[in-house]
Amino acid sequence: EAGVAQSPRYKIIEKRQSVAFWCNPISGHATLYWYQQILGQGPKLLIQFQNNGVVDDSQLPKDRFSAERLKGVDSTLKIQPAKLEDSAVYLCASSPDGESPLHFGNGTRLTVT
Amino acid sequence: SQQGEEDPQALSIQEGENATMNCSYKTSINNLQWYRQNSGRGLVHLILIRSNEREKHSGRLRVTLDTSKKSSSLLITASRAADTASYFCATTGNTGKLIFGQGTTLQVKP
Repeated sequence: EAGVAQSPRYKIIEKRQSVAFWCNPISGHATLYWYQQILGQGPKLLIQFQNNGVVDDSQLPKDRFSAERLKGVDSTLKIQPAKLEDSAVYLCASSPDGESPLHFGNGTRLTVT
Repeated sequence: SQQGEEDPQALSIQEGENATMNCSYKTSINNLQWYRQNSGRGLVHLILIRSNEREKHSGRLRVTLDTSKKSSSLLITASRAADTASYFCATTGNTGKLIFGQGTTLQVKP
């Protein structure tokens, strides 16, 4: 089966600019996750979708971050405006049902200058 | 917030030796998972152990879970250079949210 696809692979922007990341999960996976991984740390959950509904977004900085999963398939994560501390790898993951182990994409490395 | 804390933060061994990583967590869990992350890549699931299990094996991997001590260990036997990676434990509690620890960086020297 094809894995979780993410794009772009790398992105460099200046602070206060906006950026968007795209994720296409494994076909048939109902649950989709966005994680933020700062260098040297473990991934931190930003938002979890079940189909096209939000299950958990308690750690999403909603004043600047937004995410959507229209039609319950692929998803977009947006940051507007970006801050220096947003520099991190943004990982997308999917799971068949929210209880099975996660399948991760290779991430988007964001650098904010 | 991070739930699990791995120990040690970094580990360097020779090929053929065993590597042991430990994970401690704070609240009650439904299951605990271990993931591997190669440099510049996403995480790959290795093994899942449920709260009512004490030990699980998968190939060269052995995971133990002690819920009374809120801790788990991952043992990689007969390590290979290809095992060089970061290893993360992750726990699922009653909220269903999967929370990762800070990770252990393993270097296996050929």
